[in-house]
Amino acid sequence: DVKVTQSSRYLVKRTGEKVFLECVQDMDHENMFWYRQDPGLGLRLIYFSYDVKMKEKGDIPEGYSVSREKKERFSLILESASTNQTSMYLCASSQAGRGNEAFFGQGTRLTVV
Amino acid sequence: AQKVTQAQTEISVVEKEDVTLDCVYETRDTTYYLFWYKQPPSGELVFLIRRNSFDEQNEISGRYSWNFQKSTSSFNFTITASQVVDSAVYFCALSEAVGGSEKLVFGKGTKLTVNP
Repeated sequence: DVKVTQSSRYLVKRTGEKVFLECVQDMDHENMFWYRQDPGLGLRLIYFSYDVKMKEKGDIPEGYSVSREKKERFSLILESASTNQTSMYLCASSQAGRGNEAFFGQGTRLTVV
Repeated sequence: AQKVTQAQTEISVVEKEDVTLDCVYETRDTTYYLFWYKQPPSGELVFLIRRNSFDEQNEISGRYSWNFQKSTSSFNFTITASQVVDSAVYFCALSEAVGGSEKLVFGKGTKLTVNP
């Protein structure tokens, strides 16, 4: 059974903290993605990576960074958490190439207080 | 830039009714892919279907059917004889080429509630 696993389902952090969201996939996928989901705004792409140590900015990268040291792991980093980063974060992975469906993790609901 | 519009924010129906979820897209690519995903209350997005830009055949899978029309840039999703288990948020997505790979651009989603 293919899987994308996010390290936490729920997380509460304080303003100004450095926050790490971890994502691991077991499908040997080249592509990995971090999305943010907010009511009325749908899914917005934060960052993505199509190879180890490679990263590309998505639509809303400000306030975030990413790390991909190993193929199976893609980390999202909030350098200094702010209340407007309270959201649901979704990780996904897909095979390289065109037309391949993305597989999603269960999501991490982050609350910044 | 790629864009996906799901004009229906929320839809509420009674069980056994048919319901159509609309999706309109914008792209300059000649080769592209369209997807539908379902997000049940548990939160994990589940892939439903993929269509490429060269295949305009409609697809039926059980109670689900999809109508792809390039002339109107639409990829609509119909659930026949809806059931309570169909209650979820449904997302339409469009591929955007990035180098040799791609990323997905999502619509804002349509929340479907099927009442018993």
